[in-house]
Amino acid sequence: QSVLTQPPSASGTPGQRVTISCSGRRSNIGSNFVSWYRHFPGAAPKLLIYSNNQRPPGVPDRFSGSKSGTSASLAISGLQSEDEAHYYCAAWDDSLNGVVFGGGTKLTVL
Amino acid sequence: EVRLVESGGGLVKPGGSLRLSCAASGFSFSSYSMNWVRQAPGKGLEWVSTISGSSNYIFDAESVKGRFTISRDDAKSSLYLQMDSLRADDTAVYFCTRAVITVTKGMDVWGQGTKVTVSS
Repeated sequence: QSVLTQPPSASGTPGQRVTISCSGRRSNIGSNFVSWYRHFPGAAPKLLIYSNNQRPPGVPDRFSGSKSGTSASLAISGLQSEDEAHYYCAAWDDSLNGVVFGGGTKLTVL
Repeated sequence: EVRLVESGGGLVKPGGSLRLSCAASGFSFSSYSMNWVRQAPGKGLEWVSTISGSSNYIFDAESVKGRFTISRDDAKSSLYLQMDSLRADDTAVYFCTRAVITVTKGMDVWGQGTKVTVSS
C-alpha cells in the first residue's frame, strides 16, 4: 500500500477538465513539495509539476498543480487522447527520510 | 541535450549481486542530486535511493537498506547502484533520475530504465 493515496482510475472526454487527487500526511505533503509525473508503459516517466505548482519548460499550461494542507491535486484541462496514461504524485517524507509516491492513477480518455 | 542512460540490468539468481550504471550527459552532473527509482511488474513507481552532489548525503528506502549502495563518480558523470543479496521482489525496471536542485522538489530528468530480473 502506497504512502500517498491516489484514486486508481479517472476518466474524461476530449476537451474536458479532470483532476487527480493525492492525499498524504503532515510528514510528507503537509511539510514538503509535491511533484507529479506522467508515465506511458514502457517509456520513461515525465515530470509535469514540481514544487507543488511549477511547470518545467515544455509542459503545456493545460497541466496545473495545487496543494492544500496534506492533499494535492493535478488538473488537466482541454483533455486530449494522448493524455491517456498513468499519473503519479510524489513528495519527500520527513519521517521516512525518503521520497514517497502515490499508487498511480490510470487516466482514460473516453 | 540532457540525457541519462542506464545499463547493467539482467537476470540474476536470488542472493546474487548486480551493479547498475547511469551515464549522464548535457549538464553539470556534480551539481545535482541523483536518484534511483524502480517499477516492479504491474506496480507503481517506488523510490530506491538518493545521493546528493559531492556525495554528502545518501538516503535509502527501507526495502533496500543494507543491501543496495548508491554511489557516484562526478569525474565520469556517472551514477551507480550496487545491489547485493537480491530478492525476487527486487525484480523491476530501474530508472536513473536527476533531482530538481534537491529531490524534495521533484525529479526532472529520467532515463529509459534498465530491467532487473531476480529468478532462479
